[in-house]
Amino acid sequence: KNQVEQSPQSLIILEGKNCTLQCNYTVSPFSNLRWYKQDTGRGPVSLTIMTFSENTKSNGRYTATLDADTKQSSLHITASQLSDSASYICVVGITGNQFYFGTGTSLTVIP
Amino acid sequence: NAGVMQNPRHLVRRRGQEARLRCSPMKGHSHVYWYRQLPEEGLKFMVYLQKENIIDESGMPKERFSAEFPKEGPSILRIQQVVRGDSAAYFCASSPQVGTHHYEQYFGPGTRLTVT
Repeated sequence: KNQVEQSPQSLIILEGKNCTLQCNYTVSPFSNLRWYKQDTGRGPVSLTIMTFSENTKSNGRYTATLDADTKQSSLHITASQLSDSASYICVVGITGNQFYFGTGTSLTVIP
Repeated sequence: NAGVMQNPRHLVRRRGQEARLRCSPMKGHSHVYWYRQLPEEGLKFMVYLQKENIIDESGMPKERFSAEFPKEGPSILRIQQVVRGDSAAYFCASSPQVGTHHYEQYFGPGTRLTVT
């Protein structure tokens, strides 16, 4: 069964600290893995997209890693800001344009 | 360049009524995806359309749900005879031509459907 699991479910960190979110998947045939940020009441916004051959990709303070062998990905957020408070969603795409979404990690950054 | 637009943002329907959700993709995008997000759950794929064609509707319930993306105008997700279980946020995403497997998808703000 194609599944995407994220951990932790929720996380609270102090402003300025770093954090790492995890994503494990059992989706196949694997095509790409994406991380999205979803603010409350809004649609998801893409942070990174990685294909099979890429094992790290950065977007500002966000760095995603991918281990296609173990089917794991992580999203590392550096020097967190209050505006980073959101749900972070891991999405795995298969060939044929279908996507499988994790349920997200809810991040709260407190001052 | 306006982003993906969805309307209405909030829709309340009584059980048995019809719900029509509209999605205008970004300018120049000819591919539209609809997703449903139930409370406390992740987004689930429903249907993928190109102009005038349904490419993949494997995620859409076979009864009461239909989608279209006409040559002119927005994409429409139609839910007939709504039930309480249809209450959810419905997101639309658009993308430019699909030539590679890592094309970008841009999401709209969603329509929150409440069935009373």
